[in-house]
Amino acid sequence: AQSVTQPDIHITVSEGASLELRCNYSYGATPYLFWYVQSPGQGLQLLLKYFSGDTLVQGIKGFEAEFKRSQSSFNLRKPSVHWSDAAEYFCAVGGGGSGTASKLTFGTGTRLQVTL
Amino acid sequence: DVKVTQSSRYLVKRTGEKVFLECVQDMDHENMFWYRQDPGLGLRLIYFSYDVKMKEKGDIPEGYSVSREKKERFSLILESASTNQTSMYLCASSVHWPQHFGDGTRLSIL
Repeated sequence: AQSVTQPDIHITVSEGASLELRCNYSYGATPYLFWYVQSPGQGLQLLLKYFSGDTLVQGIKGFEAEFKRSQSSFNLRKPSVHWSDAAEYFCAVGGGGSGTASKLTFGTGTRLQVTL
Repeated sequence: DVKVTQSSRYLVKRTGEKVFLECVQDMDHENMFWYRQDPGLGLRLIYFSYDVKMKEKGDIPEGYSVSREKKERFSLILESASTNQTSMYLCASSVHWPQHFGDGTRLSIL
């Protein structure tokens, strides 16, 4: 069964500091990996995705993530955090194919607080 | 842009009521999903559908049912609402990947 672990429930960083949010996954085949962000009271917005190819993927809002197969990790990074990045971040894993294979499994989320 | 619309942002119902949560997408997506989101538990899949009149159970289907009579609309039904179904409910749609989410319905069962 597929699973996602986000070991950090809550992270606080200063504005302008760098950020890394951790994500480890378990999946029996080649995974499709995603990071979503959720602002308070809102739905989930896709930040970036990894399907194959270059293991460093760029997303929106200056975020990037690196897929490391040997570590089963897909950590999210940002060089300089802005106060507007305060939100909850979810890592998710899914598999190739359509129909019943298009299911996502989410981690429990990391809440990011940004101090000024 | 993909638009996934959930009919209510906030909903308050009473224990034992039959509750309908509606979701509509405007991009002709085959796949639609219902999740519930609880603090510390992330998003958990309740049901999903990959075609009209097709449905499959997710990880936590107990106490819920769904209906998909038209491709663009996917309804989640709480047959007899209970207080432990108080939660945030999120709908999503996709062709394959990624999934696109609505803004959620915060449901309170009193």
